[in-house]
Parts: sequence; C-alpha cells; structure tokens
Amino acid sequence: ETGVTQSPTHLIKTRGQQVTLRCSSQSGHNTVSWYQQALGQGPQFIFQYYREEENGRGNFPPRFSGLQFPNYSSELNVNALELDDSALYLCASSPGTRANTEAFFGQGTRLTVV
Amino acid sequence: QQQVKQSPQSLIVQKGGISIINCAYENTAFDYFPWYQQFPGKGPALLIAIRPDVSEKKEGRFTISFNKSAKQFSLHIMDSQPGDSATYFCAASFNTGNQFYFGTGTSLTVIP
Repeated sequence: ETGVTQSPTHLIKTRGQQVTLRCSSQSGHNTVSWYQQALGQGPQFIFQYYREEENGRGNFPPRFSGLQFPNYSSELNVNALELDDSALYLCASSPGTRANTEAFFGQGTRLTVV
Repeated sequence: QQQVKQSPQSLIVQKGGISIINCAYENTAFDYFPWYQQFPGKGPALLIAIRPDVSEKKEGRFTISFNKSAKQFSLHIMDSQPGDSATYFCAASFNTGNQFYFGTGTSLTVIP
C-alpha cells in the first residue's frame, strides 16, 4: 500500500450537484496531484497543490477546484456535475514537485453521475 | 490532444514470453518517462522510469528502451508471468515538475 488514502471509494451523484473528494497524502509528502481517469483511458492531470498553493492546472474547467490543508491533505471539488464527469478520480502524493520525483497514487474514488 | 500515444490497446502473451508495449510522444520538452502498472481497483504504481539521456534501463524482468530521435519508448517484460496481468500506462513529464501526461493504457493478459 502507498499510504495515500482517498474517500469515499464510491459515490453516486445527480447531474447538477456538487461533490467533494478527499485525499490524505503519504507522511512527509507536501505535494498532491489530482487526476481524472475515464473508463478505458489513462489518467488526465487536473491540478497539483504544493504547500497549500496551486502549482499547475490541466485542461479542466473552473468548476473543478481544489484545496490543500496545512497537514497536506487535499480536497477536489466539482460543481455543476455533468454526466461526463463520471470517472475514477485519483490523487497522488509526492515529496516535492521535481520532475523525477515519484508520485504515489491512492486507490481512487469512483464517481458516477446520473 | 493526446500528448503520449500508446499501443497496443490489449495484449495476450503466454507465460514465459516477452510482452512489448510501445509509446510515442511529440513534445521534445518531455524530460522524464515513467511506466505505471495498475491492477483492478488500485491506483497506478510506478514500475520503472527513464530519462532521455539514456537509451535503455533494466530493472529485473522489466526494460525500457528509449529512442530519442524517433520520440518513442517501449516497455519489455521478459519471462512474463500471470501475476504481470494488469494495465500498463506510459507517461511523460516536463523537467519543470512531476505532472504527468499518460498514454491510454495497455491491458496485458499472461496466459498460464
């Protein structure tokens, strides 16, 4: 196990609702990245947080927002849910943001939007 | 736009055989190329990684071959085992950070 925990593991929401996903980073890690993995696809980078500040964002609309807390845990918030938001959401923690720094992934949160 | 293209989508190999998965990229600014292994219900886990200044890296049964001029890299799994059955993703990142661009994945099945 990586020591990265995500909650909840599964979630069903209705289109238009809002959702909050949570991630506890591995001890000693100050960086959390969030990815969206649609069925049968590779993970797509949403954004990264480093020491409570956003440190890069992928091609996702503003209704995807995040937060990192002083203990380096993180939240992903998605507003106005759409059917296409149904996916596995992965968070990855790392001990920094350098290019060859290994990222450790959690098991993910499976979000279904109906 | 898919920054990293991966093939094949699925692969079936006999136990003891060699599994080969290929990836290609366009952006020459990519500086780090990891391979991830993902089992059902789990997050991806780093398998092996390479920098573009090296043409090959081997760790146990896993080897990355890297062709900088062709902008291609591949994963070779020697002596494939049923326990290797998983989905494999190639990825790439810039030298500015560890934000990864993933390929679409290859589902590997190793038949006993």
